[in-house]
Amino acid sequence: AQSVTQLGSHVSVSEGALVLLRCNYSSSVPPYLFWYVQYPNQGLQLLLKYTSAATLVKGINGFEAEFKKSETSFHLTKPSAHMSDAAEYFCAVSDGKGAQKLVFGQGTRLTINP
Amino acid sequence: GAVVSQHPSRVICKSGTSVKIECRSLDFQATTMFWYRQFPKQSLMLMATSNEGSKATYEQGVEKDKFLINHASLTLSTLTVTSAHPEDSSFYICSARDIRQETQYFGPGTRLLVL
Repeated sequence: AQSVTQLGSHVSVSEGALVLLRCNYSSSVPPYLFWYVQYPNQGLQLLLKYTSAATLVKGINGFEAEFKKSETSFHLTKPSAHMSDAAEYFCAVSDGKGAQKLVFGQGTRLTINP
Repeated sequence: GAVVSQHPSRVICKSGTSVKIECRSLDFQATTMFWYRQFPKQSLMLMATSNEGSKATYEQGVEKDKFLINHASLTLSTLTVTSAHPEDSSFYICSARDIRQETQYFGPGTRLLVL
């Protein structure tokens, strides 16, 4: 069975600072990993995904994530935070079979300070 | 990216009535769609997996007679909340699985308020 742990339910950074959102996963099979962003009262938008190709994955809006098997991690980063990045971020894992069932982490609320 | 729509975006209904929510994949065919429920400030909880042309698969604890799912075509799945009660008030989000992209794409969600 898969599981996801997002460390930190709330992260606050200054505008222009590095964003680091942590995600650790557990999976008995090679995982597919996803980061989604959710703005208030909206659905989820795909930021990026890892599907067993390159371990460093680049996504939209300047975000990227690195798959580290030895650490079972898939942390999300962005070099310079923008006010528009303020949102809820979810890490999710699937069983690798083409994104069937997704298991989500608890979510991390990102706040950007001016 | 792939687009998934949901309708309505918001609905208010009286207790005891039924509400239907539609989920459509606009630019790809989806043999599998998913229905989630999200409580305030919480993560998404998978309710059921909707398979085109067959019965939905419900997660443990989800009442199949309460939450009726129909996946009649490759681009449309519907969730009907039957005999809605105030405790059914929530944010319902659907997703559609794009096999080619090996990714789930999400709809914008439906806010249900049962009075």
